[in-house]
Amino acid sequence: EIVLTQSPVTLSLSPGERATLSCRASQSISSDLAWYQQKPGQAPRLLIYDTSNRATGIPARFSGSGSGTDFTLTINSLEPEDFAVYYCQHRSNWPPITFGQGTRLEIK
Amino acid sequence: QVQLQESGPGLVKPSQTLSLTCTVSGGSISGGGYYWSWIRQPPGKGLEWIGYIYFSGSAYYNSSLQSLALISIDTSKNQFSLKLSSVTGADTAVYYCARFSMVQGTFDYWGQGTLVTVSS
Repeated sequence: EIVLTQSPVTLSLSPGERATLSCRASQSISSDLAWYQQKPGQAPRLLIYDTSNRATGIPARFSGSGSGTDFTLTINSLEPEDFAVYYCQHRSNWPPITFGQGTRLEIK
Repeated sequence: QVQLQESGPGLVKPSQTLSLTCTVSGGSISGGGYYWSWIRQPPGKGLEWIGYIYFSGSAYYNSSLQSLALISIDTSKNQFSLKLSSVTGADTAVYYCARFSMVQGTFDYWGQGTLVTVSS
């Protein structure tokens, strides 16, 4: 079973700074990784799929990279609306769906 | 634009069965290429995939639920449903329905979520 471990648990930054969020898989998952953003009281929103492809309507300041077991979500020049919780997600043969535990991005 | 909406009781007693329905609009649930999914989130915690179903009726579940979950689909009503039996306080969560894209391997559309509390 693949386990996704996100770090850090909490990241404190100021608007305008760059955020770097990590997702590490317990074994190689090729490039099959997605990222979601969740704001309080809302459903998660898809940001990135297949490691580096932005979903429809996602601003260019969001980018994804990585391969194998180590993946990164980068948010350049943080906007006030970017402060939220971020989850990574992988699909495989079994179990079909795995989520990371989340990283909370908070305003410093 | 595809939209999903959860409905069902917000309060369930321990040991009883939790039942939720997701109504899909703006697209047919019978179209191929998607799994129709249930995901839950306990208060203050992360996301847990419960399971999903294809329009043909083939369903897959998170093994941690130990066969307590049952997902069904009604293509005539463009709805799919979740039943979770023998609930305990640990099943208190916001329950989301979502569309899973088989091509992208992602949940691309989500319902707004519904809070279900298990309490006597």
